[in-house]
Amino acid sequence: AQTVTQSQPEMSVQEAETVTLSCTYDTSENNYYLFWYKQPPSRQMILVIRQEAYKQQNATENRFSVNFQKAAKSFSLKISDSQLGDTAMYFCAFMKPGNDKIIFGKGTRLHILP
Amino acid sequence: DTGVSQDPRHKITKRGQNVTFRCDPISEHNRLYWYRQTLGQGPEFLTYFQNEAQLEKSRLLSDRFSAERPKGSFSTLEIQRTEQGDSAMYLCASSHLLAARHNEQFFGPGTRLTVL
Repeated sequence: AQTVTQSQPEMSVQEAETVTLSCTYDTSENNYYLFWYKQPPSRQMILVIRQEAYKQQNATENRFSVNFQKAAKSFSLKISDSQLGDTAMYFCAFMKPGNDKIIFGKGTRLHILP
Repeated sequence: DTGVSQDPRHKITKRGQNVTFRCDPISEHNRLYWYRQTLGQGPEFLTYFQNEAQLEKSRLLSDRFSAERPKGSFSTLEIQRTEQGDSAMYLCASSHLLAARHNEQFFGPGTRLTVL
């Protein structure tokens, strides 16, 4: 069975700083998808960034980028130039192709301080 | 398109009562998912539909839970004889099997259930 582990329950950084959220996962699959989802307070979950395991190049979406280390089963999220609107719960997640259920980690609560 | 909608947003009920939640997916999305999120945890998969067919059910979905998607559009999740342990946020998501990013699930705002 696949598992996703986020070891940082909560983090705080100053606005405009760079922050990295950690995630490790366990799977015996070779092909899969990894995601970071953002859940702002009292608002719905949205997809921040996704990574296909067969792609070596790390995904980037504007200020968000990942460091995908397949051998180490590590998938960290870097947020550059953090903004107050980045305050949210961030969930690392795993999906196996053909079986569309998402397996989420427990989340990291990120506070961006003014 | 207004995204995935869920109704009600909040539900307070007494133990032993039945409750039903509704999810309206994004139009044309043929896959619909239900997740449960308890306080301080990530969402956990409950079940999913492709069109009107229920393709997978988690072991979390006890026999008190039933989900339907009768016409392949909206879905309902019913919990019978609610227990305090059922208190959680129930999230619905949808996706389109044939879309370029078919594995991207779009989430609704959730229904928060409190069982007293």
